[in-house]
Amino acid sequence: DGGITQSPKYLFRKEGQNVTLSCEQNLNHDAMYWYRQDPGQGLRLIYYSQIVNDFQKGDIAEGYSVSREKKESFPLTVTSAQKNPTAFYLCASSADRGISTDTQYFGPGTRLTVL
Amino acid sequence: GNSVTQMEGPVTLSEEAFLTINCTYTATGYPSLFWYVQYPGEGLQLLLKATKADDKGSNKGFEATYRKETTSFHLEKGSVQVSDSAVYFCALSGQETSGSRLTFGEGTQLTVNP
Repeated sequence: DGGITQSPKYLFRKEGQNVTLSCEQNLNHDAMYWYRQDPGQGLRLIYYSQIVNDFQKGDIAEGYSVSREKKESFPLTVTSAQKNPTAFYLCASSADRGISTDTQYFGPGTRLTVL
Repeated sequence: GNSVTQMEGPVTLSEEAFLTINCTYTATGYPSLFWYVQYPGEGLQLLLKATKADDKGSNKGFEATYRKETTSFHLEKGSVQVSDSAVYFCALSGQETSGSRLTFGEGTQLTVNP
């Protein structure tokens, strides 16, 4: 079955440690996205990538980094510079670049808790 | 910039009641509009979408009509079920050159009681 996988579902880290969240898709989509969701709030865009080896900052990129070495993979690193990293992180993908009518499909999410 | 405003929640209804969740937006040009649903502990699922004015999106008994004159995309369902309990997000995608970026509303928590 085609879809987006995120791992792990739950992640615990000590303050000051970097942590990398995995996102893989087998939908052959060009574009991929990372969002952050906090309780009672909507989703905020962290980074997005329209093509391999290229990515752009979203609205809240500070303290995060990404890479896009393969079309199917878009890992997100939460660095120690992120002041409040505890949140639910969602990865998404869409088929086309730069088309507003395109639908984004979401993974199941990773809940990160920093102790 | 683009923005989406949803009615404040939470919303609590009895089974078979009529549902309306209001959504209004601010955007330049002609955005596409979406409703996503999120069940507890899960990612978002697309519920329906509309890509031009006067389009009606529909799915699983839910409907929403793209009203450009009132910049609205209200979600409706004639008879809700307990299984509809979830968080509903309104979102828009603008006509930008840098990808199909989504701007989300804050979400509306719906609880349906038997």
